[in-house]
Amino acid sequence: DQQVKQNSPSLSVQEGRISILNCDYTNSMFDYFLWYKKYPAEGPTFLISISSIKDKNEDGRFTVFLNKSAKHLSLHIVPSQPGDSAVYFCAASGSNTGKLIFGQGTTLQVKP
Amino acid sequence: GAGVSQTPSNKVTEKGKYVELRCDPISGHTALYWYRQSLGQGPEFLIYFQGTGAADDSGLPNDRFFAVRPEGSVSTLKIQRTERGDSAVYLCASSPNRQGLNTEAFFGQGTRLTVV
Repeated sequence: DQQVKQNSPSLSVQEGRISILNCDYTNSMFDYFLWYKKYPAEGPTFLISISSIKDKNEDGRFTVFLNKSAKHLSLHIVPSQPGDSAVYFCAASGSNTGKLIFGQGTTLQVKP
Repeated sequence: GAGVSQTPSNKVTEKGKYVELRCDPISGHTALYWYRQSLGQGPEFLIYFQGTGAADDSGLPNDRFFAVRPEGSVSTLKIQRTERGDSAVYLCASSPNRQGLNTEAFFGQGTRLTVV
């Protein structure tokens, strides 16, 4: 049972345009959501998070949107840069344990 | 170093052998997590320590897997009688998370385990 799903395995965008990565979840007990970025042969790196009491969180070029009624969150990157090319993982946690449930990941390619 | 350190970075072992994977968390982080990542998948939760105790080991696949954190800092993931299906990248993460506080976890670079 996949509680966190990223239905797009890959995404390709042009440099300077917006990248939108999507994530859906099924467990209504999740109250904290995170995005991680991963380069090959490295561990995941934290990017941005959002609590369930908010619907938007912004940090520089990165914005995460949360739609609790739809159990959906998205990551917007604008403008996209070639260095943003990586695998992006959506993750969720509940009960304040910090235990993360990850999606399968989306590979983003930003073309110069 | 300032980050989470995992050793070894790569481990090749024969089927049936015993392996130990080590994790040095960020100093002062009370929470420590082990995850396993197979090719094309996201990290899969294995076990979570709060201090010295395993607060949640529900992700350990079977009794061949065991983890310890005796002094509340370094942790070792132990796998007995390894099988080819155990081949994966094993990730360790730590966070300053205390009960009631959601915060991000910081990951190490992982140990790539290959069972031949």
